Amino acid sequence: DTGVSQDPRHKITKRGQNVTFRCDPISEHNRLYWYRQTLGQGPEFLTYFQNEAQLEKSRLLSDRFSAERPKGSFSTLEIQRTEQGDSAMYLCASSSELGGDGYTFGSGTRLTVV
Amino acid sequence: DQQVKQNSPSLSVQEGRISILNCDYTNSMFDYFLWYKKYPAEGPTFLISISSIKDKNEDGRFTVFLNKSAKHLSLHIVPSQPGDSAVYFCAAIPNQAGTALIFGKGTTLSVSS
Repeated sequence: DTGVSQDPRHKITKRGQNVTFRCDPISEHNRLYWYRQTLGQGPEFLTYFQNEAQLEKSRLLSDRFSAERPKGSFSTLEIQRTEQGDSAMYLCASSSELGGDGYTFGSGTRLTVV
Repeated sequence: DQQVKQNSPSLSVQEGRISILNCDYTNSMFDYFLWYKKYPAEGPTFLISISSIKDKNEDGRFTVFLNKSAKHLSLHIVPSQPGDSAVYFCAAIPNQAGTALIFGKGTTLSVSS
């Protein structure tokens, strides 16, 4: 297993376009998390899945954002009608347990909205 | 409002000396604390954690100290090595079974040889 994979690594899009990111977690991890990191800030929690169920959503996850994890494997994060403020690094993490010690983060998808 | 604060954006240390990274938190509900390290173009990696029932946890060159009354924790790296140069994030969670990590803004550590 090569860890948590995120695709694409970089995405440049025009304002108003829709974008979708993919995260492939470590295969035996049933928990999956999305975080967003803007310049000069630490990662901010967006949402959490246990298997295919989305159990927790941050208020940062506006109605333009939607995340799915069909079949409890890979996950997608879609942003509709992108805005310049959406420009950030989107990080995915997975774990088999709660608590943070066992979280494995991917390298992230860098989104730039122009 | 920032619930986890790392007030020093950067720290420079010579190889072999001690690095001390500081973190303050405001939410007394936080019960579990973690440090993550991040290299450029990589995701954060877990370094060390501490529960609020302890005041110290040690793992090799890394020691985390927790002062719950002051709502302050620190990460000590002894001795510092050039490979330790990275961004260090302090994070907190309401309890060990929580999901949403609350991160500070990070401190960039530079260790010179």
